[in-house]
Amino acid sequence: SQTIHQWPATLVQPVGSPLSLECTVEGTSNPNLYWYRQAAGRGLQLLFYSVGIGQISSEVPQNLSASRPQDRQFILSSKKLLLSDSGFYLCAWSAGRTGNRQPQHFGDGTRLSIL
Amino acid sequence: GNSVTQMEGPVTLSEEAFLTINCTYTATGYPSLFWYVQYPGEGLQLLLKATKADDKGSNKGFEATYRKETTSFHLEKGSVQVSDSAVYFCALSETSGSARQLTFGSGTQLTVLP
Repeated sequence: SQTIHQWPATLVQPVGSPLSLECTVEGTSNPNLYWYRQAAGRGLQLLFYSVGIGQISSEVPQNLSASRPQDRQFILSSKKLLLSDSGFYLCAWSAGRTGNRQPQHFGDGTRLSIL
Repeated sequence: GNSVTQMEGPVTLSEEAFLTINCTYTATGYPSLFWYVQYPGEGLQLLLKATKADDKGSNKGFEATYRKETTSFHLEKGSVQVSDSAVYFCALSETSGSARQLTFGSGTQLTVLP
């Protein structure tokens, strides 16, 4: 069966420090991968998605970037964190190349606090 | 563009009460519809789905029917439990074939009291 792992679970970082959050998927090949941010009101904001290695689509301009160095690895990064980057970050995957009716499956999230 | 509108929360119910969380959507074509649940401090879990009109998705006592005529996908449960306390998200898939796929509602917080 497929599983998705996100780490770390929680992170406290000072303003201006770099960031690297990692997400890996097991048990599937060529998944679509996603990064979301969930701010304190509950709503989900799609940040990036990827349909393949090295292919990244950005949904909103921001202080963050994403990379996909391997088929089942998705990394969210920042060179200098801002206070506004605080939030709950969720990685998700869906089956690739199988049309648009597949659900997305989420990791457990990373709680990021910027001090 | 596509959009999902969910019932405003928070919703507070007593245990064994009947639950309805309304969800309506706007979409071109024929999207698939989903309900996700998020327990405190966790990621989202797929609760149920429906891929075409009149389909009923069901799981863990929850049900939702894909109503094309009213563009709705309301979530229902006959008897809620304290353990159902969570945030519930309605979502739809895009039909353009884009991998971007899901459009989420804003979520509805449910609290069930013993």
